[in-house]
Amino acid sequence: DAKTTQPPSMDCAEGRAANLPCNHSTISGNEYVYWYRQIHSQGPQYIIHGLKNNETNEMASLIITEDRKSSTLILPHATLRDTAVYYCIVRVRAGGTSYGKLTFGQGTILTVHP
Amino acid sequence: ETGVTQTPRHLVMGMTNKKSLKCEQHLGHNAMYWYKQSAKKPLELMFVYSLEERVENNSVPSRFSPECPNSSHLFLHLHTLQPEDSALYLCASSQRVLWAPSYNEQFFGPGTRLTVL
Repeated sequence: DAKTTQPPSMDCAEGRAANLPCNHSTISGNEYVYWYRQIHSQGPQYIIHGLKNNETNEMASLIITEDRKSSTLILPHATLRDTAVYYCIVRVRAGGTSYGKLTFGQGTILTVHP
Repeated sequence: ETGVTQTPRHLVMGMTNKKSLKCEQHLGHNAMYWYKQSAKKPLELMFVYSLEERVENNSVPSRFSPECPNSSHLFLHLHTLQPEDSALYLCASSQRVLWAPSYNEQFFGPGTRLTVL
């Protein structure tokens, strides 16, 4: 699976958009970009994933550049409860006999402050 | 609530003890995972079970012994652990679809905080 690079930490004011970048310059054509987050002392939580088109769900938006070498996770209106470690993971989509292994890096510690 | 439960939530054990961690998923998934998260380190995948068969063992020491009696339950048996095994142990599950591609979102439990004295 392709390696990802994320800033170690970011700050965001409550109510503002949080934009979390991720570089994945060695991504291959069949690899997806996944985002998970881990709130302190809890298990990771799936947020969103995408291949090449931008994606949006009730939690966040995912913007993937045209060359797919980087992406940005957007939390449109950050709240204090969004303070967590955010992981960007690139891997092949599961299917057939593949269970879709996730390899977690260090992630970005997002701190949302009042 | 993610539909994945883990017990106990906290465990303190001596190096000579034998204990077991339990994971149960109520999501109808057919793949289950054990991860280890040590302080200041990324999550490390330990074991994967798919359809109750172990499909991956990431060079985990034999003092950790997994068991998957059915698709809803996963155990991690611990014996003669070392203090460096103290960590958060996380269980996850996902759905493996054999006949069609699946994005395979993983659902994690809250973890068991293990301390080895």
